[in-house]
Amino acid sequence: AQSVTQLDSHVSVSEGTPVLLRCNYSSSYSPSLFWYVQHPNKGLQLLLKYTSAATLVKGINGFEAEFKKSETSFHLTKPSAHMSDAAEYFCAVTGAAGNKLTFGGGTRVLVKP
Amino acid sequence: DAMVIQNPRYQVTQFGKPVTLSCSQTLNHNVMYWYQQKSSQAPKLLFHYYDKDFNNEADTPDNFQSRRPNTSFCFLDIRSPGLGDAAMYLCATSRDGRGRAYEQYFGPGTRLTVT
Repeated sequence: AQSVTQLDSHVSVSEGTPVLLRCNYSSSYSPSLFWYVQHPNKGLQLLLKYTSAATLVKGINGFEAEFKKSETSFHLTKPSAHMSDAAEYFCAVTGAAGNKLTFGGGTRVLVKP
Repeated sequence: DAMVIQNPRYQVTQFGKPVTLSCSQTLNHNVMYWYQQKSSQAPKLLFHYYDKDFNNEADTPDNFQSRRPNTSFCFLDIRSPGLGDAAMYLCATSRDGRGRAYEQYFGPGTRLTVT
């Protein structure tokens, strides 16, 4: 069984400041981990993924995440927030057998001018 | 561009009136998924197909059915929509994940309103 906990339901940042979205996971297998972004009334877009290669993963739009097995974490960061980063972010995990995703509860990001 | 397409983007139906949502893909992925997403919640998997092999989630209501006539198309049928079925319905595709995990590609969703 696997689960994902996103530690913050809402994050508010000022434009140009760093963004940190926290994700902890639990998995019986060697996990694959994903971050997706969802803008209002849109589908989910993949930001980045970890699949047992490099532990520091770079994604689109300047986002990156670091897989830390000892902490069972996969936190998402961006050095400088942009207004267009305002959205809902989902962390997700899948086990070794198949593609079924388990999502965290989501973090809504607000970017202030 | 290869993509996942959902039609319609917005659907209004009456309580109890059957409704069908459609999804098509040009990615040639053999796995397709249907999710239900309610406001401010994470997507919830309803069912998925490996090719024509249908996999229902244990807690998916019988009111929800699906068809996949070919690789490119997948349909979600709600036989008797209730007010609680109002949600965003997301279709996704991926390569065959048996043995390794592949990312899922999502369509833009269909927002269903039940009146």
